[in-house]
Amino acid sequence: GAVVSQHPSRVICKSGTSVKIECRSLDFQATTMFWYRQFPKQSLMLMATSNEGSKATYEQGVEKDKFLINHASLTLSTLTVTSAHPEDSSFYICSAHQGGPFLSPQHFGDGTRLSIL
Amino acid sequence: EDQVTQSPEALRLQEGESSSLNCSYTVSGLRGLFWYRQDPGKGPEFLFTLYSAGEEKEKERLKATLTKKESFLHITAPKPEDSATYLCAVRAYNQGGKLIFGQGTELSVKP
Repeated sequence: GAVVSQHPSRVICKSGTSVKIECRSLDFQATTMFWYRQFPKQSLMLMATSNEGSKATYEQGVEKDKFLINHASLTLSTLTVTSAHPEDSSFYICSAHQGGPFLSPQHFGDGTRLSIL
Repeated sequence: EDQVTQSPEALRLQEGESSSLNCSYTVSGLRGLFWYRQDPGKGPEFLFTLYSAGEEKEKERLKATLTKKESFLHITAPKPEDSATYLCAVRAYNQGGKLIFGQGTELSVKP
């Protein structure tokens, strides 16, 4: 079945540090990937849509300069949280479609727990 | 505005006690309703996709149904390993491949 791998699973770092999270589709090509943020006991909130070979599309209220997305290949998208602060601490999850976005479900990675001290 | 509401927020069952989870939605042109299971500290795991009213899907103790306004996830004779948060999401025709998630139902099954 479709597998989406996310790395690292957990990051603890000091305030002001930039953190990069990788999302890989392991056995299929993904022209589109999605990045979500989830706070404790809350549902997933879409941050941005990552498009291979073009700029990401950000949801309203998400700072483009704070959350940099790069989708340089059909199997890899990265999210960089720049100059992270304690309020950026959260659970970040990526997803990808196997097949067309209108024909198949999104498959999710296991998430990255980001803790900023 | 496209919206998804799940109920109840939390559900506690005894092992073997069947029940249903509800997902009510309003969307401008449904292009799929999805059920996911999420365990603590993990990403959501895909369960079902439903596309049209009247459609039903089954997997082990789970059965998902769909009407024009809501979906139900029926759990028959649940086991403790069914304990998880169950998420419902919809995809609309005018939103590309994006999903809109409900708040989830946290299910706890006690032995």
